[in-house]
Amino acid sequence: KNEVEQSPQNLTAQEGEFITINCSYSVGISALHWLQQHPGGGIVSLFMLSSGKKKHGRLIATINIQEKHSSLHITASHPRDSAVYICAVLNYGGSQGNLIFGKGTKLSVKP
Amino acid sequence: DAGVIQSPRHEVTEMGQEVTLRCKPISGHNSLFWYRQTMMRGLELLIYFNNNVPIDDSGMPEDRFSAKMPNASFSTLKIQPSEPRDSAVYFCASRHLNTDTQYFGPGTRLTVL
Repeated sequence: KNEVEQSPQNLTAQEGEFITINCSYSVGISALHWLQQHPGGGIVSLFMLSSGKKKHGRLIATINIQEKHSSLHITASHPRDSAVYICAVLNYGGSQGNLIFGKGTKLSVKP
Repeated sequence: DAGVIQSPRHEVTEMGQEVTLRCKPISGHNSLFWYRQTMMRGLELLIYFNNNVPIDDSGMPEDRFSAKMPNASFSTLKIQPSEPRDSAVYFCASRHLNTDTQYFGPGTRLTVL
């Protein structure tokens, strides 16, 4: 079983829809990252959070440490949001580089 | 700032050849990471450096892989000899030790025939 599980693996939405991507993990963590990988392959760090909620524009990330679960929400989705979204956890007690990655969720937003 | 720079962007080589991937981190960043991404395994951390010193290389698959960071502005990842199963996209990322956000380079797509 993977230590970081994402769901769904693939997601197709219509422009304007509210989108939720989920990440569950089985290890103790000190932080969780959400990354966005563009169709061209470039990777951008969206959020790093260890508790509560963070918001940046139309993106919202939440984490529940007790339930070992995080969600990434996109409001008013747009075709330019089409990308692979990757959850990564920083293993508690591990060194700063010890990120464990999920397999990613491929999002396609249709106009 | 130009961001993290990687070269080459694409590399095609034959099995058994030596491959060297290069990375220039963002100026002022003092932590550098090498990752590998494949369809089967997703993103994996290979090795990372703090202040040019390797901290954790437990992700390096085997002795054929080696990484160096001779100074704060340059790092290499070398595969010798290369094998077809090394085909992947290799990403370099950097960050400042006082922050948690990593900035990724565009990646090097390696194909070993």
